[in-house]
Amino acid sequence: EVVLTQSPGTLSLSPGERATLSCRASRSVTSAYLAWFQHKPGQAPRLLIYGASSRAAGIPDRFSGSGSGTDFTLTISRLEPEDFAVYYCQQCGTSPFTFGPGTKLDIK
Amino acid sequence: EVQLVQSGAEVKQPGESLRISCKISGYTFSSYWINWVRQMPGKGLEWMGRIDPSDSQSNYSPSFQGHVTFSVDSSISTAYLQWTSLKASDSAMYYCARQAVVQFYLGMDVWGQGTTVTVSS
Repeated sequence: EVVLTQSPGTLSLSPGERATLSCRASRSVTSAYLAWFQHKPGQAPRLLIYGASSRAAGIPDRFSGSGSGTDFTLTISRLEPEDFAVYYCQQCGTSPFTFGPGTKLDIK
Repeated sequence: EVQLVQSGAEVKQPGESLRISCKISGYTFSSYWINWVRQMPGKGLEWMGRIDPSDSQSNYSPSFQGHVTFSVDSSISTAYLQWTSLKASDSAMYYCARQAVVQFYLGMDVWGQGTTVTVSS
């Protein structure tokens, strides 16, 4: 099983600041199969990034993904109030398709 | 409009059986896997497995193998997640999410709203 580790566990920032979230895999993940999701309380998770760096439909360009191999990053260039949520990375290249434990992004 | 609409909240007793549903609309059912994802209270997302509606082929996470069953009814474009004997530890929110069979790399792009399952005596 590919274990995904996310850091930090919690990130406290202010609107307008830049957020950098990390996802590290226990072994190499094909970039095509690394995704990022945003999850807010009471809502379904929302796909942000697929293929490590491609934005899903309707996702603002302040969200960007990068990385390869075992290290991946989600960057939010300028935080908006609606961006405060939990973010998960997920790999779907090797079954079981594991999620990371999440990074909670909260308002400072 | 593409939609995955899940059945309503359930309250069950330990040992009971349960089947929850995920009804799709707005796309061809057989072109997308249906994934099932669990979120226990206060915890993160866990991939349970997936089913291919075209042939009902399923992949289960080892953590869930033998405890749940996936199925589909293509005549009504609906996927199901089933338990034969619930435990208190099955109390959670359950989501279905689609993922293209061919363009698999596009990820789980549309999700159901979730079904809350509470198991308590």
